[in-house]
Amino acid sequence: DGGITQSPKYLFRKEGQNVTLSCEQNLNHDAMYWYRQDPGQGLRLIYYSQIVNDFQKGDIAEGYSVSREKKESFPLTVTSAQKNPTAFYLCATKEGVGEAFFGQGTRLTVV
Amino acid sequence: QQQVKQSPQSLIVQKGGISIINCAYENTAFDYFPWYQQFPGKGPALLIAIRPDVSEKKEGRFTISFNKSAKQFSLHIMDSQPGDSATYFCAHFSGYALNFGKGTSLLVTP
Repeated sequence: DGGITQSPKYLFRKEGQNVTLSCEQNLNHDAMYWYRQDPGQGLRLIYYSQIVNDFQKGDIAEGYSVSREKKESFPLTVTSAQKNPTAFYLCATKEGVGEAFFGQGTRLTVV
Repeated sequence: QQQVKQSPQSLIVQKGGISIINCAYENTAFDYFPWYQQFPGKGPALLIAIRPDVSEKKEGRFTISFNKSAKQFSLHIMDSQPGDSATYFCAHFSGYALNFGKGTSLLVTP
């Protein structure tokens, strides 16, 4: 069953805590992306990776970090430096110039 | 980052009516213009996309119209149904990533 798996679906973070969101894909796509979604803001690009062991900052990378050690995995860490992390986080993959496929998202809430 | 300007922000249409959402883009290196549909709590899914070697593409009740000289493209939903109530995003491919509009929340009333 091909697709993108994001986990967990819901995540709660305490002030000052780092948390890691998981994104796994079995579509064999080279490119992977992390987007943040806030009401009325659309999807804003956090980080992207075109190939294993390489990644680039998007528009709102401050307070986030990523790694790409394996083709199928692109975890996102929300660090304590991110002052307003409450949002819906979406992972996507893409192959060439064409359709991007999205996971089902992780909703992160600061408590 | 190159911007995609989407309008309107929200739209209410009666069942059976036509829903129209517009997008304007800046220069882009790649000609690929998709529309995504998103239901609450779910990830976006590709609805329809166009490459501007054609000015219009139709799939069922959904049509993309593309105006390259005006740098605009639009989504038309014919015979709108309550099940079409969702958020719609236009996007363009900047070379490395898809850049999205801010979304249009569509409500189709019975």
